[in-house]
Amino acid sequence: DQQVKQNSPSLSVQEGRISILNCDYTNSMFDYFLWYKKYPAEGPTFLISISSIKDKNEDGRFTVFLNKSAKHLSLHIVPSQPGDSAVYFCAASHPNTGNQFYFGTGTSLTVIP
Amino acid sequence: DADVTQTPRNRITKTGKRIMLECSQTKGHDRMYWYRQDPGLGLRLIYYSFDVKDINKGEISDGYSVSRQAQAKFSLSLESAIPNQTALYFCATSDNRLTTDTQYFGPGTRLTVL
Repeated sequence: DQQVKQNSPSLSVQEGRISILNCDYTNSMFDYFLWYKKYPAEGPTFLISISSIKDKNEDGRFTVFLNKSAKHLSLHIVPSQPGDSAVYFCAASHPNTGNQFYFGTGTSLTVIP
Repeated sequence: DADVTQTPRNRITKTGKRIMLECSQTKGHDRMYWYRQDPGLGLRLIYYSFDVKDINKGEISDGYSVSRQAQAKFSLSLESAIPNQTALYFCATSDNRLTTDTQYFGPGTRLTVL
């Protein structure tokens, strides 16, 4: 059973506009969330994370928002750049599972120049 | 040089063959992981190891085994490969001394079982 879901397999955005990638989870025990970015023929690379004690974390053009009551997180990229075109995975973990990470299915972002 | 390396990068094999995928890391991390990625299913954890003497099953360990030969090496074996094990396999590491447990991934091994 998929505990972390990304319901949008793909997203296209114009360069300079905002990209919003969404992620939902079902396990209320999750307390740490991450976003990874993956280019073709490469492994995923860490992008940004957020702890459940926060509702927002920002790093440059990337901001992650966490809504615990809705079990929802989102990644905002502003402004979007062509180099941001990649597959984005969200992941979640909780200490009761030895910090195993549960990954979403990924969203393929295309930023159009 | 890459911090996390995987060999081979691509492998085609036949049903019933034994296959070993290898992972090496130079990051000095204690924790190592094996994932597989399938279209529409994201990354799923196969096995993980928190140190050389600690091996744990993940979500989908059936049909797989692992060996942690040293802190830097973690191998994944398919004892008798079957076609539904065709997937992209990733090794990852993390540093358990950090309060945040970011994982660092290798480039992946594309395995095809005919």
